[in-house]
Amino acid sequence: KAGVTQTPRYLIKTRGQQVTLSCSPISGHRSVSWYQQTPGQGLQFLFEYFSETQRNKGNFPGRFSGRQFSNSRSEMNVSTLELGDSALYLCASQPSGGDSPLHFGNGTRLTVT
Amino acid sequence: AQRVTQPEKLLSVFKGAPVELKCNYSYSGSPELFWYVQYSRQRLQLLLRHISRESIKGFTADLNKGETSFHLKKPFAQEEDSAMYYCALSGLETYKYIFGTGTRLKGLA
Repeated sequence: KAGVTQTPRYLIKTRGQQVTLSCSPISGHRSVSWYQQTPGQGLQFLFEYFSETQRNKGNFPGRFSGRQFSNSRSEMNVSTLELGDSALYLCASQPSGGDSPLHFGNGTRLTVT
Repeated sequence: AQRVTQPEKLLSVFKGAPVELKCNYSYSGSPELFWYVQYSRQRLQLLLRHISRESIKGFTADLNKGETSFHLKKPFAQEEDSAMYYCALSGLETYKYIFGTGTRLKGLA
């Protein structure tokens, strides 16, 4: 099976712009979650989707949003970018969510200048 | 509050020496505990989970509910164990994981 695929791998944006990141889960996996990874904070949970429904959301401002499509692919959007949004954004998939192991993508490295 | 604490940012260990990466958690309920590992230039991947009680690559971890700890141990470290290790927990039907800030293990020859 192909692994979790995230595109693009790298993004450079300026403050105030918006960005969309994409994630294709492992075939058959219906749960997709997103994490922000930074050196000081580790991995912080953004949100989780299952069957196009957001089931949980982390403590991030409303500028961070996401969605999931009927084929389980997911996107996350960050509007009005700030310098502090620079991070590695990881997507992970699971068959149905809950406490089953996460399968991670390689991430999208976002740099905000 | 739900939290995972990994007190060591960096741990250096000599080849053949025992290693222990500490993890403490705070959670109201019965969590599932995991260790994830990220080797250089590879994606983050599951190392082991407490419910399976397996030994993976020589690593083991025991859940101590009294001390709310899930320390990762290996009796004889190898250079190839050098990586970033994350402790994490997930609760049934919470649909999210809580990760620690990670410990970088550096194996010395």
